[in-house]
Amino acid sequence: ETGVTQTPRHLVMGMTNKKSLKCEQHLGHNAMYWYKQSAKKPLELMFVYNFKEQTENNSVPSRFSPECPNSSHLFLHLHTLQPEDSALYLCASSQEQGEPTGELFFGEGSRLTVL
Amino acid sequence: AQSVTQPDIHITVSEGASLELRCNYSYGATPYLFWYVQSPGQGLQLLLKYFSGDTLVQGIKGFEAEFKRSQSSFNLRKPSVHWSDAAEYFCAVGALGGSQGNLIFGKGTKLSVKP
Repeated sequence: ETGVTQTPRHLVMGMTNKKSLKCEQHLGHNAMYWYKQSAKKPLELMFVYNFKEQTENNSVPSRFSPECPNSSHLFLHLHTLQPEDSALYLCASSQEQGEPTGELFFGEGSRLTVL
Repeated sequence: AQSVTQPDIHITVSEGASLELRCNYSYGATPYLFWYVQSPGQGLQLLLKYFSGDTLVQGIKGFEAEFKRSQSSFNLRKPSVHWSDAAEYFCAVGALGGSQGNLIFGKGTKLSVKP
């Protein structure tokens, strides 16, 4: 079993749909992240949760809504998306404690296509 | 502004040949530097990191990187490439005191390996 599991792996949705991406980490980490990976663009940090509290929101449009019910689970709720939101959405986790190690553990990603 | 530049979008090397992937950064504070690798259909995995001390750091899978402050570079090297090294490689920079996940990534270099 991988340390960070994302479902679904692939998702196709229309612009009026509402869907959610799920991430679960089995590593006992206390921080979780959503990243967006688009073709020909650097990986973009979207949201950071530390001990279930959102600590960062990098100017992400409100059509993306994160939820972190506990330290092991992270959701990304999607509604009224645009075609340019099509991308690979990566979840990651880490142990935030003392000095940072910079070691993020990534899931395999959810490939989202918006029609 | 903070940035990471990976000047090579795609590199092809023969199996057994040496490899060097370039990374330049622009960062006001003392940087933490990282190399991550992403195999097809997978999330990112940390290869190695530099925080301080010895400027030549060793990582997993036989990779190493050298931090050169005067050149603002952190190039990744491997003396002999294996076919399984074909993947995309990302350089990233983070800040002391920043959250683990608040890394700035380069756009990546895709490595192809010829038999």
